[in-house]
Amino acid sequence: DQQVKQNSPSLSVQEGRISILNCDYTNSMFDYFLWYKKYPAEGPTFLISISSIKDKNEDGRFTVFLNKSAKHLSLHIVPSQPGDSAVYFCYGQGGSEKLVFGKGMKLTVNP
Amino acid sequence: NAGVTQTPKFQVLKTGQSMTLQCAQDMNHEYMSWYRQDPGMGLRLIHYSVGAGITDQGEVPNGYNVSRSTTEDFPLRLLSAAPSQTSVYFCASRSGAGGEKLFFGSGTQLSVL
Repeated sequence: DQQVKQNSPSLSVQEGRISILNCDYTNSMFDYFLWYKKYPAEGPTFLISISSIKDKNEDGRFTVFLNKSAKHLSLHIVPSQPGDSAVYFCYGQGGSEKLVFGKGMKLTVNP
Repeated sequence: NAGVTQTPKFQVLKTGQSMTLQCAQDMNHEYMSWYRQDPGMGLRLIHYSVGAGITDQGEVPNGYNVSRSTTEDFPLRLLSAAPSQTSVYFCASRSGAGGEKLFFGSGTQLSVL
């Protein structure tokens, strides 16, 4: 039972445009959601998080939106840059120490 | 500030061999975990620990053993390596507080022939 799903494996956008990465979850016990970014041959690094008591969190070009009624969160990157090309993972925390990630989405930003 | 350190970075094993992947963190984190990353499968949790002396299974624990004798170290043991264990392995840690982010090591690329 995968509690966090990233249904689209890849996304390609032009530099300067918006990138929208989506994540769906099933566990209502999650109280934090985190996004990670991973470059090839490196470990994942933390990008941005959101508490379940909020519906939006912004950090520079990155904004995460949370829709609890739909059990859906999204990461917006505006404007997208070639250096944003990476694999992005989301996961939820809460109710268990079993921290399970989504399968990830590969973002390619074309110059 | 070293953070999470994994050794070795690369390893080639023959089927049936055993080995231990090392993971150490210097942030006094209570929580540590092991993930494997395979193409199309994302990051899958193997085992995790919420403190010294406490370990539990993740999503894909078969073929792997762990122990947590100290807060700093969380080794992952392959007792009899199989080609299906060819993967990139990541160790991660975080403090015990809710909402705290995971810190990852740089990974170990393991090939089992």
